[in-house]
Amino acid sequence: SQKIEQNSEALNIQEGKTATLTCNYTNYSPAYLQWYRQDPGRGPVFLLLIRENEKEKRKERLKVTFDTTLKQSLFHITASQPADSATYLCALGTTSGTYKYIFGTGTRLKVLA
Amino acid sequence: NAGVTQTPKFQVLKTGQSMTLQCAQDMNHNSMYWYRQDPGMGLRLIYYSASEGTTDKGEVPNGYNVSRLNKREFSLRLESAAPSQTSVYFCASRVDIGYTFGSGTRLTVV
Repeated sequence: SQKIEQNSEALNIQEGKTATLTCNYTNYSPAYLQWYRQDPGRGPVFLLLIRENEKEKRKERLKVTFDTTLKQSLFHITASQPADSATYLCALGTTSGTYKYIFGTGTRLKVLA
Repeated sequence: NAGVTQTPKFQVLKTGQSMTLQCAQDMNHNSMYWYRQDPGMGLRLIYYSASEGTTDKGEVPNGYNVSRLNKREFSLRLESAAPSQTSVYFCASRVDIGYTFGSGTRLTVV
């Protein structure tokens, strides 16, 4: 069955360092991979999308890589800040017109001041 | 713009009761979705509507029904609530690639 794995343990890092979160998947060939941020009690907020033919995508302090051979995406936050503390979800989608995405369980990031 | 608005924010139901979760978006999006989020399970798709007048089942549709009332509104109905439906429910809409989510409805069935 299709499976998405994100590290369920919280990631604690010091302010100013680069946070790296991992999303692995099996039995799936996604055309798109998205990353979302979710704060407690709130809905997920879309951050970045990367397509299967793209190796890397950047947006301000965020960088996403997508390796379809390894079936893995890495999400980096450079110069991390306490305000970056949240849960980060990855989601995979196909090229079907309905754009149904499968979500991972998320990794909680805590940036320590 | 409010984005995606969900009501109510919290609800407690007794087993067997029915209720409708409301969702409305003001972004003129065609596609709308209902997800539930449970600890350790991630977001799971219940139903979706690719456009006004169409609805389709997602991964976990049993025990739910939906109505796409118009382009703006997409409601989720629990006909006979069960404790297994205790969850946080999110509505989302989409144009282009990314989803816009509502703030969620926290439902407890006792």
